[in-house]
Amino acid sequence: QKEVEQNSGPLSVPEGAIASLNCTYSDRGSQSFFWYRQYSGKSPELIMSIYSNGDKEDGRFTAQLNKASQYVSLLIRDSQPSDSATYLCAGDSWGKFQFGAGTQVVVTP
Amino acid sequence: GAVVSQHPSWVICKSGTSVKIECRSLDFQATTMFWYRQFPKQSLMLMATSNEGSKATYEQGVEKDKFLINHASLTLSTLTVTSAHPEDSSFYICSASGTGTGGYEQYFGPGTRLTVT
Repeated sequence: QKEVEQNSGPLSVPEGAIASLNCTYSDRGSQSFFWYRQYSGKSPELIMSIYSNGDKEDGRFTAQLNKASQYVSLLIRDSQPSDSATYLCAGDSWGKFQFGAGTQVVVTP
Repeated sequence: GAVVSQHPSWVICKSGTSVKIECRSLDFQATTMFWYRQFPKQSLMLMATSNEGSKATYEQGVEKDKFLINHASLTLSTLTVTSAHPEDSSFYICSASGTGTGGYEQYFGPGTRLTVT
């Protein structure tokens, strides 16, 4: 069983709509969670970090964490074609990241 | 802030030769650096973790004698692929975390695309 699970997608989202990405994790020792965006052929870029239960907003992005349910999500509001990428969820367990396989998002004009 | 550079961005080498990849943290002290490998359309695979001044910790299945990692300073780590073979062709990415980055985030370098002919 993978420690961090994500739907691989692709998730097709109309331009201007909300993209909703989900991630579950199995390691209850994970305390910190991160969302990265990776464009094809490029390295991952940090979008959000979240450490406590609840919501955290940064611009068009909102991360949600529910440690009891072992669930992390990312909402992208007003999706733009430039948001088309693979989004990686990661949990930090004792200084080592466990990455999900990533969800591919395709924003259609 | 939290910028990580890698050099070279791409390299082509002949089978049997060695290749060194440098990873530098430009605006923070990287107490820990990580080396990943990514094959096309696959997720990141952690190869090893290194702390400044200590030996690297390799993930299961990664040959430490083939992938030599040196983390000599708080701003520089190197990965040397020794006796490279075509199956070592991949996208190698380093990341770093440390003081001044605000938390436990890892910041990634731009990656090095290695092609072994």
